Amino acid sequence: EDQVTQSPEALRLQEGESSSLNCSYTVSGLRGLFWYRQDPGKGPEFLFTLYSAGEEKEKERLKATLTKKESFLHITAPKPEDSATYLCAVRATYNTDKLIFGTGTRLQVFP
Amino acid sequence: DGGITQSPKYLFRKEGQNVTLSCEQNLNHDAMYWYRQDPGQGLRLIYYSQIVNDFQKGDIAEGYSVSREKKESFPLTVTSAQKNPTAFYLCASSTLVGNQPQHFGDGTRLSIL
Repeated sequence: EDQVTQSPEALRLQEGESSSLNCSYTVSGLRGLFWYRQDPGKGPEFLFTLYSAGEEKEKERLKATLTKKESFLHITAPKPEDSATYLCAVRATYNTDKLIFGTGTRLQVFP
Repeated sequence: DGGITQSPKYLFRKEGQNVTLSCEQNLNHDAMYWYRQDPGQGLRLIYYSQIVNDFQKGDIAEGYSVSREKKESFPLTVTSAQKNPTAFYLCASSTLVGNQPQHFGDGTRLSIL
């Protein structure tokens, strides 16, 4: 069964304390992996698309990487405004209509 | 500004009542989607549509209905047959060209009175 698992469920960081969020996936063929940020009471905001193992994308303090089994979202020197839930989703090659979502990692960054 | 507009932001349903959630996009996207988000669960697909006057069931379509009469609009009706409708409902859209992400509206929170 296709599955996306995110860990940890929740993460508390001090401002400036770098860390990584994990997204493990099981899918027959990966067409794309997507990272989103979701603030409370809002819809997910698109961050990155990764297409193949070894690919990396960066945006400000965020860097996403992809292997054949998982993706990492690295947060360097986070600020309180980075606090949000980060969602990971995959699109399979055999079923491009759908995205399969993980349950997210809730990140809190304290000053 | 291009985007996806969902309304209302909050909605209350009485027992036995059908309610309709609105989703409008001005991104000229062909595909539109409805998801349900519950605490501790990933987004679950309810219905999706890739072309006007056509739509497909997602993973949890029971108790819901949709229509796609215009490219810009994809309303979702939560019927009285949906016994546990309390959730955060998200509408998304995407282009069908290439391997593009879905873009989301800001959701409607539905509660039971």
